[in-house]
Amino acid sequence: DAGVIQSPRHEVTEMGQEVTLRCKPISGHNSLFWYRQTMMRGLELLIYFNNNVPIDDSGMPEDRFSAKMPNASFSTLKIQPSEPRDSAVYFCASNTGDYGYTFGSGTRLTVV
Amino acid sequence: QKEVEQNSGPLSVPEGAIASLNCTYSDRGSQSFFWYRQYSGKSPELIMFIYSNGDKEDGRFTAQLNKASQYVSLLIRDSQPSDSATYLCASGQNFVFGPGTRLSVLP
Repeated sequence: DAGVIQSPRHEVTEMGQEVTLRCKPISGHNSLFWYRQTMMRGLELLIYFNNNVPIDDSGMPEDRFSAKMPNASFSTLKIQPSEPRDSAVYFCASNTGDYGYTFGSGTRLTVV
Repeated sequence: QKEVEQNSGPLSVPEGAIASLNCTYSDRGSQSFFWYRQYSGKSPELIMFIYSNGDKEDGRFTAQLNKASQYVSLLIRDSQPSDSATYLCASGQNFVFGPGTRLSVLP
């Protein structure tokens, strides 16, 4: 299995631009999580899906952030418009059952 | 507020010693806990999970859970320089991670 696949690995964009991060979970995993990691705030849960349905999006910082999971093998996290304070590493993780999450390699986002 | 707390460290131990990492949580409803290791610039990787009160051993790692005290710990025996990383505690109930403890194992 290729694990959780995220793209792009690095993204540099200008303030005000739209950013789309992509994630392919492990096949058969029915839960998908988006996390953001910064030095100041650590690893924060943004949103999680179960069977493609958003269950808890209370961690999404504001309306500029949106996430979708149109099918079991793909999810996107979109930021529009992006701001410098959105700079962070964004991780996608998936799991099945209650045996911990497998993380992707992350997307390092820099907004200048 | 459902929180998971950890000492940020750094925790420094000599090679071959036992490293003890601690975690407390606020949600009494939490039933499962996970320990992740994260090397600098890498993603977190799962090393242990525990559901029941008591100890769970896996090689050099032992996880301990005390639900009455809302306390989880990770012991690393015979610490190696390759164990130097940040260790993250997570609640399986609400998917919240602690801030992590940075461990440095000195040769």
